[in-house]
Amino acid sequence: AQTVTQSQPEMSVQEAETVTLSCTYDTSESDYYLFWYKQPPSRQMILVIRQEAYKQQNATENRFSVNFQKAAKSFSLKISDSQLGDAAMYFCAYRRANTGNQFYFGTGTSLTVIP
Amino acid sequence: DAMVIQNPRYQVTQFGKPVTLSCSQTLNHNVMYWYQQKSSQAPKLLFHYYDKDFNNEADTPDNFQSRRPNTSFCFLDIRSPGLGDAAMYLCATTLSGLNTEAFFGQGTRLTVV
Repeated sequence: AQTVTQSQPEMSVQEAETVTLSCTYDTSESDYYLFWYKQPPSRQMILVIRQEAYKQQNATENRFSVNFQKAAKSFSLKISDSQLGDAAMYFCAYRRANTGNQFYFGTGTSLTVIP
Repeated sequence: DAMVIQNPRYQVTQFGKPVTLSCSQTLNHNVMYWYQQKSSQAPKLLFHYYDKDFNNEADTPDNFQSRRPNTSFCFLDIRSPGLGDAAMYLCATTLSGLNTEAFFGQGTRLTVV
């Protein structure tokens, strides 16, 4: 199994401010996909943003953007203009591109948004 | 318009009594996954189906089994639940070979008494 590490169990951010959640992963493969998922309390996990490893350009989805550093195997999520609805567990996930269909998840970061 | 549906949302079972959790999907995805998620931990992949092919993770206990009678349905069978099997069980689906994300159900919270 691939290893995905999220070193921040908990983070907090003031409403309207910016926060960055970190993620590193271990792989020997050159082609893969990376994802950030959001899991609100008692609700299902939903996709926030995805990144293909072969693309150098960082993915952006509205207030969410990533900083993908392939050589460093780092994939951080930046949330701009944080909103109360952003409060949730955030999981980083890795998926192989060519062989297997498994998604591997990090341990998650619990984000609190302070009004 | 739920796309991945898990039943029941909450399941209480007795120690050692077999239990089955179900998952259905309306996405026509060919890959279905079962994850176990314990409190404050990462979702742990138990196994997945690629079409009809069953793929077990190496560290998944034999106590956990799965069935996929057709594309839409997948079941998780726990043959003899122990206290350590109490967890949230997540079902997810995706399309193989494409850059698609996994779509998750709301999960089943299993309590073992």
